[in-house]
Amino acid sequence: QVQLVQSGAEVKKPGASVMVSCKASGYTFTRYDINWVRQATGQGLEWMGWMNPNSGNTGYAQKFQGRVTMTRNTSIRTAYMELSGLTSEDTAVYYCARIEAYDGAIPVAYQYGVDVWGQGTTVTVSS
Amino acid sequence: DIVMTQSPDSLAVSLGERATINCKSSQSVLYSSNNKNYLAWYQQKPGQPPKLLIDWASTRQSGVPDRFSGGGSGADFTLTISSLQAEDVAVYYCQQYYGIPLTFGGGTKVEIK
Repeated sequence: QVQLVQSGAEVKKPGASVMVSCKASGYTFTRYDINWVRQATGQGLEWMGWMNPNSGNTGYAQKFQGRVTMTRNTSIRTAYMELSGLTSEDTAVYYCARIEAYDGAIPVAYQYGVDVWGQGTTVTVSS
Repeated sequence: DIVMTQSPDSLAVSLGERATINCKSSQSVLYSSNNKNYLAWYQQKPGQPPKLLIDWASTRQSGVPDRFSGGGSGADFTLTISSLQAEDVAVYYCQQYYGIPLTFGGGTKVEIK
């Protein structure tokens, strides 16, 4: 079945970097963008950025510009999100999320909502 | 950025009663040429990722019970649970996918009264 399986929980020290992986199965990997969304404990959902696995093109939320890098390895159907310069404010659950890629005539971001989410990866930043 | 504002922050509804959640966007997410609203609703239960309930503002996903319905257009939207069931206890989020950055409402926690 269609699923996104993320890497396990991470504990990092302030100033370090973390890389979270997201392995796709059950669908054509290159047809769907991978977006990353995070959620601090008890808080709402915060969009971090998107990556098109076909082209490798990316777009990041301004808040994370310069600190986040989204990449992929199409041969193993896996997307990656690396966040650097960690602080305690980055402690959260990080989700990868699939949205059908769109590059049509209508000037909108996507045609559909997020239909598949990873299970989430807890990243804890603590000294 | 399109700011999404949900209300209320939480609501408690008796089993079998109606629950209504509101979502306003800071600009229209309706593309007039195709009359489509680029607005989704998600349900999130504790310890789980969000689940897509509705997109296009009113199109239920396969398998979503018909007690869930989405309405509205332009910049004002609602999610209605017509007859609340115990399994509907969750936090509900609206999200616009009209523009980048994608943005979410702050969430509405639905509980049983």
